[in-house]
Amino acid sequence: SYVLTQPPSVSVAPGKTARITCGGNNIGSKSVHWYQQKPGQAPVLVIYYDSDRPSGIPERFSGSNSGNTATLTISRVEAGDEADYYCQVWDSSSDPFYVFGTGTKVTVL
Amino acid sequence: EVQLVESGGGLVQPGGSLRLSCAASGFTFSSYWMHWVRQAPGKGLVWVSRINSDGSSTSYADSVKGRFTISRDNAKNTLYLQMNSLRAEDTAVYYCALADTAMGCFDYWGQGTLVTVSS
Repeated sequence: SYVLTQPPSVSVAPGKTARITCGGNNIGSKSVHWYQQKPGQAPVLVIYYDSDRPSGIPERFSGSNSGNTATLTISRVEAGDEADYYCQVWDSSSDPFYVFGTGTKVTVL
Repeated sequence: EVQLVESGGGLVQPGGSLRLSCAASGFTFSSYWMHWVRQAPGKGLVWVSRINSDGSSTSYADSVKGRFTISRDNAKNTLYLQMNSLRAEDTAVYYCALADTAMGCFDYWGQGTLVTVSS
C-alpha cells in the first residue's frame, strides 16, 4: 500500500511560518489534500488538489506538491492554528484507495 | 449548510454487531459519494469504506472487508455502516464524510460516533 510520511510535530512562534511536509513515492504525480483537526473535533478540509483553498479557509494556508514531497504552509501563524494536520491522496493502485498521512501536531509557542 | 450527523455508536462485546447511521442535510445527498473514516483513540485517520452516489458501487479497506457493509438510502438522505464480527481493534471514532467524485477530497465531515469493542 502507498505510504505517506509526515513529521510527528512542528513548533512555530506566532506570526512565523509553519511548513508541514508529506512524503510519498512520486507524490507529485498525485493530488494531495490537507485536513486540520483540532482536539475533540472532526477534520476540516483546508487545502484540496495540492493548492486550492475551500471557501472560508484563510489565505494564510497554502499548498504545493512536487517530486516526492507535498507541503502545507501556514503563514503568519496564529494560536488558533494549533491542531493536527493530515495529508491525504487517492491512489487507484493502492489498497486502501484513500491514504492518509501519519499526521503532524502543530504547536504554537 | 451541510450537516452530517452520525449515530449508533456505543459499547459492544467482541464478536458483536452495530449499525451506524449518518443523517445528511444541506446538500443533494444523492449526488455525492459517501465515505466512512475512523480514528482509534490517540491515533490517525484511516479510511474504512466508500459508496457511490446511487449505491451501486462499494469499496472497503482490507481490515474490514467481509465484516462491514456500507449502504445508503437516498430517499432518507442517510448513510449506513453495518459492522459485524467486531474486534477490539475496531474501537474508534467513526466519521462519515462526503466527496463529489471517486477520487475527490473529503469535503465535509460529521462530528463522529464512538464505537468501543470490549468485554
